[in-house]
Amino acid sequence: GAVVSQHPSWVICKSGTSVKIECRSLDFQATTMFWYRQFPKQSLMLMATSNEGSKATYEQGVEKDKFLINHASLTLSTLTVTSAHPEDSSFYICSATGQDPYGYTFGSGTRLTVV
Amino acid sequence: AQSVTQPDIHITVSEGASLELRCNYSYGATPYLFWYVQSPGQGLQLLLKYFSGDTLVQGIKGFEAEFKRSQSSFNLRKPSVHWSDAAEYFCAASAGGNEKLTFGTGTRLTIIP
Repeated sequence: GAVVSQHPSWVICKSGTSVKIECRSLDFQATTMFWYRQFPKQSLMLMATSNEGSKATYEQGVEKDKFLINHASLTLSTLTVTSAHPEDSSFYICSATGQDPYGYTFGSGTRLTVV
Repeated sequence: AQSVTQPDIHITVSEGASLELRCNYSYGATPYLFWYVQSPGQGLQLLLKYFSGDTLVQGIKGFEAEFKRSQSSFNLRKPSVHWSDAAEYFCAASAGGNEKLTFGTGTRLTIIP
């Protein structure tokens, strides 16, 4: 079945540094990638949608200069949290479509802690 | 606005008992509907999905869901729960293939012996 590999699974970084999270579709071409953020005991909030070769579309209230999304190939999308601060600490999850026109495959998530 | 509602934040069920998790949606047209399960610190696993056709959908792990257009609902059921079913369950909807998913707030399921 379709698999999306997301890493790192967890990362701790110092305030003011940048962190990159990768999502790779291992056995299909991901035409669209979605990036979500999830706070403890809460639901997933969509941050942005990216299509291969195009600029990402950000949801209202999401800072595009802080959360840089790149979808340069059909198998790789990255989310870079720039100048991270403690309030950026969260669980980030990616999702990809392309294998199945009606399916969404999720990565295993990345726990980001900014200290 | 498009929305998905899960009225129950937390449900506790005895092992072996039946389960029903509620989900209601508000969309302009019938959306694509999904149920996902999430264990702590993990990603999401698809239990089942509905696009059209038979309104009773069978999924993995013995789960099923029934689409009811008149009630704008897509409730998840399992006849007999196992301790391993304890997790967070999310209902989600999209307007179509490759469209963004809108998630409900989730229902936390606790299983007691």
